[in-house]
Amino acid sequence: TQLLEQSPQFLSIQEGENLTVYCNSSSVFSSLQWYRQEPGEGPVLLVTVVTGGEVKKLKRLTFQFGDARKDSSLHITAAQPGDTGLYLCAGAGNYGQNFVFGPGTRLSVLP
Amino acid sequence: EAGVAQSPRYKIIEKRQSVAFWCNPISGHATLYWYQQILGQGPKLLIQFQNNGVVDDSQLPKDRFSAERLKGVDSTLKIQPAKLEDSAVYLCASSLEGHRASGIETQYFGPGTRLLVL
Repeated sequence: TQLLEQSPQFLSIQEGENLTVYCNSSSVFSSLQWYRQEPGEGPVLLVTVVTGGEVKKLKRLTFQFGDARKDSSLHITAAQPGDTGLYLCAGAGNYGQNFVFGPGTRLSVLP
Repeated sequence: EAGVAQSPRYKIIEKRQSVAFWCNPISGHATLYWYQQILGQGPKLLIQFQNNGVVDDSQLPKDRFSAERLKGVDSTLKIQPAKLEDSAVYLCASSLEGHRASGIETQYFGPGTRLLVL
């Protein structure tokens, strides 16, 4: 069974600060996704990465897939209160099989 | 485009009772997923349907949980009888195909049903 670990579990920062959250595994994933989940809602996809070493940017969010495809990071620049939520990484093997979510990082950005 | 619909949004039952959740996926999406999300954890896949066939139900507690997707559209997840540890948010998601050579597809999630078992 493939498992994903995320760190930190909780993060509380002030508006305008930068932060990085991590997603790690001992297993190799064919592709990896990051989702954000707000209270009372389902997760919403932010990005999918499929190539080792790949970097994707989405406005103030930068996502990186590790060279060995075992880990990923999400960096947020100049965090805003609207970034508050649960950030989940999810990975899968070939053809989307063995899809699994990590436990998430709960981010709180204070105004 | 309408999103994934789920009902009810909240349900409170006593242990040993039965409960059912309903999901209507995005129109045209072949694949439907049911997840269980316990407080403080990430979603755990319970069952995946491709059209009206089961692709993966390896983590579904089949002694008490059942799911069906008649006609390959709407789906129902049932728990009978419920236990205290079933208290969680039950999320339904759908995707266009469910698999592709490059890996995961985009899944679109509904708002979930929050179940409390007393």
